Amino acid sequence: EVQLVESGGDLVQPGGSLRLSCEGSGFTFSSYAMTWVRQAPGTGLEWVSSTSDSGGTTYYADSVKGRFTVSRDNSKNTLYLQMNSLRVEDTALYYCAKGKWLRDIDYWGQGTLVTVSS
Amino acid sequence: DVVMTQSPLSLPVTLGQPASISCRSSQSLVHSDGNTYLNWFQQRPGQSPRRLIYKVSNRDSGVPDRFSGSGSGTDFTLRISRVEAEDVGVYYCMQGTHWPLTFGGGTKVEIK
Repeated sequence: EVQLVESGGDLVQPGGSLRLSCEGSGFTFSSYAMTWVRQAPGTGLEWVSSTSDSGGTTYYADSVKGRFTVSRDNSKNTLYLQMNSLRVEDTALYYCAKGKWLRDIDYWGQGTLVTVSS
Repeated sequence: DVVMTQSPLSLPVTLGQPASISCRSSQSLVHSDGNTYLNWFQQRPGQSPRRLIYKVSNRDSGVPDRFSGSGSGTDFTLRISRVEAEDVGVYYCMQGTHWPLTFGGGTKVEIK
């Protein structure tokens, strides 16, 4: 059974940092592109970042470029999102998702909540 | 960025009746490789999204055949042939042709 389990969400002050993790199982992690999507409370879905199966290619939304870094450790079947200089508007449920290719999303995790507030 | 516009925002439907959701993109979603990367996702209350349809009209494994996708270029539609109670939720279209990936604003399907 495919599973994506996110962790690392927390309450953090504006300007702070956080690292999210997403562990995959039930599929060949190293063969899939991985993506982060966020959903602010009561709102829609916003794409954040994607990385290729090897991690060699990455894309970021303009709203997070320069502040967030996506990476992966295929030996640990784990995807990461390093979030720096956090802002109140980064408050959201962060989902990780997998896809057969870089622009694809076919399965989502349950999400981890990031709250940025003083 | 490609803007994805969904309508209606809210869709009250009688059980057993059909439903249709429109998704329009601000530019063509035909990729240079010939594919059109338009997906549909369902998000039931309190759950994470689930993909229903990929590349316009391909139904994912386990998705009931009452769901179908159609369209081309900039104009796409998700149809539910006979709405059931478990179909309640918010439906999103998403384009994967152009970076950044963008989602429609969502359509809330509810039972009348």
